Amino acid sequence: DSGVTQTPKHLITATGQRVTLRCSPRSGDLSVYWYQQSLDQGLQFLIQYYNGEERAKGNILERFSAQQFPDLHSELNLSSLELGDSALYFCASSVWGGIGETQYFGPGTRLLVL
Amino acid sequence: AQKVTQAQTEISVVEKEDVTLDCVYETRDTTYYLFWYKQPPSGELVFLIRRNSFDEQNEISGRYSWNFQKSTSSFNFTITASQVVDSAVYFCALSDLTGANSKLTFGKGITLSVRP
Repeated sequence: DSGVTQTPKHLITATGQRVTLRCSPRSGDLSVYWYQQSLDQGLQFLIQYYNGEERAKGNILERFSAQQFPDLHSELNLSSLELGDSALYFCASSVWGGIGETQYFGPGTRLLVL
Repeated sequence: AQKVTQAQTEISVVEKEDVTLDCVYETRDTTYYLFWYKQPPSGELVFLIRRNSFDEQNEISGRYSWNFQKSTSSFNFTITASQVVDSAVYFCALSDLTGANSKLTFGKGITLSVRP
């Protein structure tokens, strides 16, 4: 158990809908990362937050957004969902969010868009 | 640009065999970090090891060992006396100074099946 929690574990929804994925980092970690794992793209970095502020952006679609709250939990919002958004979404956390820090991953949220 | 190549996609071995998982990386930076993660069938990503570019010492942890060679830009992972519980997808990842962010760039992963 990494100490990172994600809810829900599974999510099934329809195209065009909006969903929110939630992540709580390990105790003491200030930085949160979101990654998407799909069959065709593999594991891809989406976005990073540090202590409530956006720090880095990767291949995140405009339909997707995220935030980190004062209690350090983070939410990833996916809207206007398409079939291709079906994937496993991971949250990871690290202490300072610095380069080379070990990122500890949560169990993931498996999203299926029908 | 950063890139991680795991050329082996699937490996199947019989229990107690040794197996080596290859990882080749590309980076322009002299300071970088390499990682291995394990993804068992249950789906979570489990951290195994972190290595920085200035430390070329090989590392051994129980049945696991890692061989880091800067000359060939490789960071290979060997499991000795494999067990069925080692069956998983193994990812190699890189973090460097490109873009001044700490994202991990992952390889495509190697699916290891250990048969009893």
